[in-house]
Amino acid sequence: AQSVTQPDIHITVSEGASLELRCNYSYGATPYLFWYVQSPGQGLQLLLKYFSGDTLVQGIKGFEAEFKRSQSSFNLRKPSVHWSDAAEYFCAVGARTGGFKTIFGAGTRLFVKA
Amino acid sequence: DAGVIQSPRHEVTEMGQEVTLRCKPISGHNSLFWYRQTMMRGLELLIYFNNNVPIDDSGMPEDRFSAKMPNASFSTLKIQPSEPRDSAVYFCASSLSPGGSTDTQYFGPGTRLTVL
Repeated sequence: AQSVTQPDIHITVSEGASLELRCNYSYGATPYLFWYVQSPGQGLQLLLKYFSGDTLVQGIKGFEAEFKRSQSSFNLRKPSVHWSDAAEYFCAVGARTGGFKTIFGAGTRLFVKA
Repeated sequence: DAGVIQSPRHEVTEMGQEVTLRCKPISGHNSLFWYRQTMMRGLELLIYFNNNVPIDDSGMPEDRFSAKMPNASFSTLKIQPSEPRDSAVYFCASSLSPGGSTDTQYFGPGTRLTVL
């Protein structure tokens, strides 16, 4: 079955520290992968997406993610976190078999401490 | 483009009343989605339309919920009768691709519904 797992419900990092948010997916074909961010009181916004090609993709706000087929992972990274990065982050996979749909993970809430 | 527009932004109603949420997708987008978000259940897809046709409504909780898309620029989500457990933030999103599977979903600001 198609699924997306974000193992960490919440993560706390210090401002200026590096960040990695984990995402694992289960999908039989080549996946379309997304990371979305939701700031408090707002809707989700796309950070980056991977369809094919270079497995390291760059997104907005200094985020990047790396697709690793062998590990079925698409982890999100940022070298230096800013207080404004505090938000909830959702990983998603675009499914094109058994009907077109997007499957979202449960989200990881990021807290940033000064 | 103004993005996805939702109205109202906040709705407070009493149990048993009918609630109608409205959404205007981004012009030219073929798919429209209704989501519900709560602390307990997270982000849930309720229904999505492709070219104004409902494709997957498996997430609609029960018969009290209904959604329509009479044309490419407007959709409604109706709850009748409303119950306190329907209190949540409801998001509308739109995308160029079917199911948002190969393209970005653009989310509206949401409607915060409180049912007393």
